[in-house]
Amino acid sequence: KAGVTQTPRYLIKTRGQQVTLSCSPISGHRSVSWYQQTPGQGLQFLFEYFSETQRNKGNFPGRFSGRQFSNSRSEMNVSTLELGDSALYLCASSLQGGSRTGELFFGEGSRLTVL
Amino acid sequence: GQQLNQSPQSMFIQEGEDVSMNCTSSSIFNTWLWYKQDPGEGPVLLIALYKAGELTSNGRLTAQFGITRKDSFLNISASIPSDVGIYFCAGPGSSNTGKLIFGQGTTLQVKP
Repeated sequence: KAGVTQTPRYLIKTRGQQVTLSCSPISGHRSVSWYQQTPGQGLQFLFEYFSETQRNKGNFPGRFSGRQFSNSRSEMNVSTLELGDSALYLCASSLQGGSRTGELFFGEGSRLTVL
Repeated sequence: GQQLNQSPQSMFIQEGEDVSMNCTSSSIFNTWLWYKQDPGEGPVLLIALYKAGELTSNGRLTAQFGITRKDSFLNISASIPSDVGIYFCAGPGSSNTGKLIFGQGTTLQVKP
């Protein structure tokens, strides 16, 4: 069973640019979540999508946005990049339903560097 | 908001030693999760705990869900070099969704 796939793995942008990251969840998983990981702030929740609808949103500015497609694939976009946006962006997928909250399957991440 | 505090922040141990780390919160969590992150990888779920007082093992790993539902610990017995990584505790930020609150992580280094 293929795992969560994130592209690109690495990218370098300059301040003011925008970036789009892609995530393909495990087949059959309908929930996709995004997390930002930095040395200073750790792992922070960005947002979650389920059946093409945003179900939860973390405390990030509106420059951070996302969407989910009908095949459950998801993209996140960051506009007007700032130096502080440099981070590892992790995507996680999970099944919907039941009480097994938290059984997230993470991708390897997209490492963004903003210069 | 909800926060999880992990300790210790880092550990440097000899191969073969046992390791213990814990996670505490000022608020109640109904689920406790332990993840491990290897360098260059995403976190991988090690153990999930769903009931207060529950003690669960996964090979050399044992985790417990505290009775107060405000803490959890993870033990690793007879550590080996591949145990190196960052261990995170996590709890759901809201029920039955993909929103998790993560602790700051415990970095484990094992000396062969």
